[in-house]
Parts: sequence; structure tokens; C-alpha cells
Amino acid sequence: DIQMTQSPSSLSASVGDRVTITCRAGQSISWYLNWYQQKPGKAPELLIYAASSLQSGVPSRFSGSGSGTHFTLTISSLQPEDFATYYCQQSYNTPRTFGQGTKVEIK
Amino acid sequence: EVQLVQSGAEVKKPGESLKISCKASGYIFTTYWIGWVRQMPGKGLEWMGIVYPGDSDTRYSPSFQGQVTISADKSITTAYLQWSSLKASDTAIYYCARQALSQNRHFDYWGQGTLVTVSS
Repeated sequence: DIQMTQSPSSLSASVGDRVTITCRAGQSISWYLNWYQQKPGKAPELLIYAASSLQSGVPSRFSGSGSGTHFTLTISSLQPEDFATYYCQQSYNTPRTFGQGTKVEIK
Repeated sequence: EVQLVQSGAEVKKPGESLKISCKASGYIFTTYWIGWVRQMPGKGLEWMGIVYPGDSDTRYSPSFQGQVTISADKSITTAYLQWSSLKASDTAIYYCARQALSQNRHFDYWGQGTLVTVSS
């Protein structure tokens, strides 16, 4: 299995802050990297696929970058509705493993 | 509109069997893989496996191989996740999700989740 490691595991930030979450893969996964957002009590939702492609309907303040083993999710200006847990996932091969999650909390 | 509607919450005893469902609509069911994801209480997401309803081809995570069975019935556009003998450690929320047709193979639509509680 390809191990996916996110950092940090949690962070506190204020509305308007720029937030960056990192995801590292245990081996090269090219650009087969996706980001999901999960709010409490809800199913995950796709934000970014193929490392940097924004899913339809997702605000442009979300962006993704990276390739190979190092990837980032950036929220350019944090909004109240962005407080949630974020997961990366590799879709290079099966099992399509997830990172452990990054919880974004209000400072 | 693409929709994945999962069956309701279940409370079972250890050793019992269970089959939960994921009813798909709004797209051609037989041309998209459907996957299952586990989320144990307070924990992260775990990819369990996927099924291709067109020919029932199935891929499992080694962590779940032999522990669950994933299947699909294309006549009623429904995917299933089943256990033959539940354990307390199977207590979790289970999500189904559609794998996009793109080369990237991400999950683009998710069901609402099914809570499974296993307790004596």
C-alpha cells in the first residue's frame, strides 16, 4: 500500500488567513492526488482532483499543487464554512489510500 | 442529477450477518466503478474496495479482503457491502462513492453514509 502522510494533523486559523496543508506520498504517484473536505456529520466532498484541478462548484480560493511525492492544498482566504477536516487520497493504484486528515479549527 | 442513496442505520450483535446498500441514480450505472469507504468513530477515511457493475469486477484493499464482500446488482442500480460475521470493530460509518470516469479515478459523488453499530 502507498502510505499518505498529511501535515499538520490540525491547525488553528482565523477567517481571512491563508492556509496550506501538505500531503506526502510514500512513493511517486505522479499527479494522481485528490483532496476532500469533510464537515462534522457529513459525507466527504471532492475539492481537487489530479493534484490541481478544481472540482466544479468549488470556490476558487481552494487550489492544489504538486506532483510525484509532495503535494499541497492551499486556501487563499479562509472562510467560516471552510472549518472542516481535509483528506488527501492517492488514486495511482489500489488500495487508493487516504491521508490521516488535517482538522482546520477556528482560532 | 447523480445521487447515491444508502440504506439506513443498523444495530447488530457480534456474529450476525449484514448487507447494506447504495442505490445509484442519474447516470449510467454500469459504466462507473463504485467504492466503499470506512470511517471508524472519530477516525479518518479508509478505502475498502470498488466494484464495476458492468461485469462485477471487484478490487479489495488487503486490509478488507476476506472480511467483507462488495457486489452490485445492475438490474436495480444498487451496490452492496456485506459481512457474514460482524465484530465489534466493524462499528463505523460506511460511505459509498462513485469513481469518476477520468484517468485520475477520484471519487466525485458520495452517499450520505450508513452507520453500523455492532454491540452485544
